Amino acid sequence: GQSLEQPSEVTAVEGAIVQINCTYQTSGFYGLSWYQQHDGGAPTFLSYNALDGLEETGRFSSFLSRSDSYGYLLLQELQMKDSASYFCAVSGSGYALNFGKGTSLLVTP
Amino acid sequence: NAGVTQTPKFRVLKTGQSMTLLCAQDMNHEYMYWYRQDPGMGLRLIHYSVGEGTTAKGEVPDGYNVSRLKKQNFLLGLESAAPSQTSVYFCASSYWRDRAINTGELFFGEGSRLTVL
Repeated sequence: GQSLEQPSEVTAVEGAIVQINCTYQTSGFYGLSWYQQHDGGAPTFLSYNALDGLEETGRFSSFLSRSDSYGYLLLQELQMKDSASYFCAVSGSGYALNFGKGTSLLVTP
Repeated sequence: NAGVTQTPKFRVLKTGQSMTLLCAQDMNHEYMYWYRQDPGMGLRLIHYSVGEGTTAKGEVPDGYNVSRLKKQNFLLGLESAAPSQTSVYFCASSYWRDRAINTGELFFGEGSRLTVL
């Protein structure tokens, strides 16, 4: 089976940097994805790492260490609109993504 | 370009009633998925399909059936609804297998909110 662990809640100040960690256990690992979901809305894709290292997309970066079964999402220059839930997800067999339980990020003024 | 469209968006059922949720995508995606989301539980995979005429079970398939008669549509059925099936249901789609592995990107619908009394 597969399991993913991420913190349930994180609070950070506007303008700061926050890191959301994700550890996983899976067979047949293909990659680690990150999704953002605002209250009541559809999850939207943020990033994907198939290889070790850092991927940067604007204010968001994502990191993967396959040997440690670990990744993180880094959000820089936090804005109020970044308050949302963030999910890591692993692609095991390649047919479907299995999601973590999500991290609720609260950005305060 | 509508993307992924789910109908209905809201529904209230009584225990024992049946219903079908419809998911339609206009992106010519091979893969389609049904997830349910409950507070504190994240997104859990119910069933998925890797192509027209094929379906497979996910993490929590009990009490649900699915069909993929047309490539663009993926139906989720509840034959005898139970209060435990009160949830928000999300449909998603993705490109064919190799691109899905390479991008890890799913395209989600806006969700269907189901309450079973």
